[in-house]
Amino acid sequence: QVQLVQSGAEVKKPGSSVKVSCKASGGTFSSYAISWVRQAPGQGLEWMGGIIPIFGTANYAQKFQGRVTITADESTSTAYMELSSLRSEDTAVYYCAGGGLSQTKGAYYYYYMDVWGKGTTVTVSS
Amino acid sequence: DIQMTQSPSSLSASVGDRVTITCQASQDISNYLNWYQQKPGKAPKLLIYDASNLETGVPSRFSGSGSGTDFTFTISSLQPEDIATYYCQQYDNLPPPIFTFGPGTKVDIK
Repeated sequence: QVQLVQSGAEVKKPGSSVKVSCKASGGTFSSYAISWVRQAPGQGLEWMGGIIPIFGTANYAQKFQGRVTITADESTSTAYMELSSLRSEDTAVYYCAGGGLSQTKGAYYYYYMDVWGKGTTVTVSS
Repeated sequence: DIQMTQSPSSLSASVGDRVTITCQASQDISNYLNWYQQKPGKAPKLLIYDASNLETGVPSRFSGSGSGTDFTFTISSLQPEDIATYYCQQYDNLPPPIFTFGPGTKVDIK
């Protein structure tokens, strides 16, 4: 089964951007969709968006539209999440998570996240 | 947008107790509902998918049921290693989907 390895912790200034990576190994990257989920300190899980790497197009939760960009590089089996205009409320652990793809009538679906990275801590502080 | 609620927000039970958590959707989501377990400092883990299907390797003391707007997650006999926060998550079964998590239920040992 695929394993997801995330980049290291980041400390950023308010107003800047952060880009977190998620590298897949041990499986077929192209058979997965990758989602990004964040968790602020002491809070619950929040889905930010996802991407199907074989297509390269991402979709986003309405809350993050315009501020988050999710991309994927099939050649390196790596997905990325970039969050801009950072503010203190963006301080959180950011997880990438994979879900297996299924195809129905030419469309690709994914229904859950069964493989998770260990998380990347992003701290936004002046 | 579909909103998810969970109850209770926390519970304390004894080892061997039956534990039940409910999750409610703001509109009919059929069986498009998953359950995750998150232990402190760890990434979430998928336990149940499509409301009632046990993920491979997950102990059979965990189960899920429900459809439409009301769902139940049950631990038939609580074990010390089950101390965690449990989240329901709905998806809208579109290509591509939108996912929404419930607020979570923290379970600990009495």
